[in-house]
Amino acid sequence: DTEVTQTPKHLVMGMTNKKSLKCEQHMGHRAMYWYKQKAKKPPELMFVYSYEKLSINESVPSRFSPECPNSSLLNLHLHALQPEDSALYLCASSLEGGGSRNEQFFGPGTRLTVL
Amino acid sequence: SQQGEEDPQALSIQEGENATMNCSYKTSINNLQWYRQNSGRGLVHLILIRSNEREKHSGRLRVTLDTSKKSSSLLITASRAADTASYFCAPTPNDYKLSFGAGTTVTVRA
Repeated sequence: DTEVTQTPKHLVMGMTNKKSLKCEQHMGHRAMYWYKQKAKKPPELMFVYSYEKLSINESVPSRFSPECPNSSLLNLHLHALQPEDSALYLCASSLEGGGSRNEQFFGPGTRLTVL
Repeated sequence: SQQGEEDPQALSIQEGENATMNCSYKTSINNLQWYRQNSGRGLVHLILIRSNEREKHSGRLRVTLDTSKKSSSLLITASRAADTASYFCAPTPNDYKLSFGAGTTVTVRA
């Protein structure tokens, strides 16, 4: 299985809602990532988990809360988001974080709209 | 981490033609990766070239790397409509971070 899956595909939420994005991989990868991508822009790194521990937080606002329950799963909990947080949220994984083998496998993304 | 800068920003070619795009970066790297993104979807890894490699091929893709000039190029030969996508380079230092440039949007006309 060489796939990263993300659910849901689309999400519409109000600014007072709490929702979660989910990401799963079964490739035995030990590094997992969240990216945010606005329209016509490149993806921007948000968080990196390595061996289920948060290793990088790119100064992301606390209304985004990542969680890595186990080596195959990555969640992104959303609370009190703003309309400008509307974007495509991409999850990725890699065999390990650093070193030479850091090709990343991306999921198809969750298209988030905040009203 | 550092960002690649792709050139050109957009490219329109006829099916069957070759497409070339370039990437420049600023500091030393462990490797440089190229990714493709079809409209509004996830990125697909195309090729990884290590800092001690000069050229790499994968199917219709050819990537070169010149570390002295801090630049890389991606050539797609015999383009197809399915190659229509945005292409991003990611010069990768020896850490977790991929930083993508603005990308090159390639349109292949039938």
